[in-house]
Amino acid sequence: QKEVEQDPGPLSVPEGAIVSLNCTYSNSAFQYFMWYRQYSRKGPELLMYTYSSGNKEDGRFTAQVDKSSKYISLFIRDSQPSDSATYLCAMSEPGNQFYFGTGTSLTVIP
Amino acid sequence: ETGVTQTPRHLVMGMTNKKSLKCEQHLGHNAMYWYKQSAKKPLELMFVYSLEERVENNSVPSRFSPECPNSSHLFLHLHTLQPEDSALYLCASSRTGGLTFYNEQFFGPGTRLTVL
Repeated sequence: QKEVEQDPGPLSVPEGAIVSLNCTYSNSAFQYFMWYRQYSRKGPELLMYTYSSGNKEDGRFTAQVDKSSKYISLFIRDSQPSDSATYLCAMSEPGNQFYFGTGTSLTVIP
Repeated sequence: ETGVTQTPRHLVMGMTNKKSLKCEQHLGHNAMYWYKQSAKKPLELMFVYSLEERVENNSVPSRFSPECPNSSHLFLHLHTLQPEDSALYLCASSRTGGLTFYNEQFFGPGTRLTVL
């Protein structure tokens, strides 16, 4: 069983839509949860991170963690064409390596 | 140059060739990493170099050999690669070597490697 599962997509939405990206995981010891954004021909960049459970909001982006279900989500409100990228989730136990998902490819159509 | 740079951006090599990937960070960081990114697979940590330690993923074949001459430069030496080694190789750096979420890693654009 993979440590982290992420639907690779691709996901295509119209501009202005609400986007929901998700990952599931198997290791209940994971405490740190991250979302990276990777534009074409670029390396990943950290978008948001959360510790343990709960929500975190940053502008149009909201990260949610549900540890009871081992499920994390990234919501993008009022999606823009500039949000078109691959989104990778990552998570770790304290002091241990990150485990990444395979990434979900998102295209926002103007 | 700013951030993390990688050269070359694209590399095609035969199975008998020897080549090297170069990474340079201009952020004053003290830790550097090599990752492998293959299509439809998770990002795989290959090597970590920091002032505190060198960490290797035991599943990485010996045909990949890292070198870190100082805190700003990182190399990945390649020899007798296999076609399944074709992937995007990403370099990253962070302020310290601790593998914690708040020790943000900054990635370079990657080297797209094709092994024929």
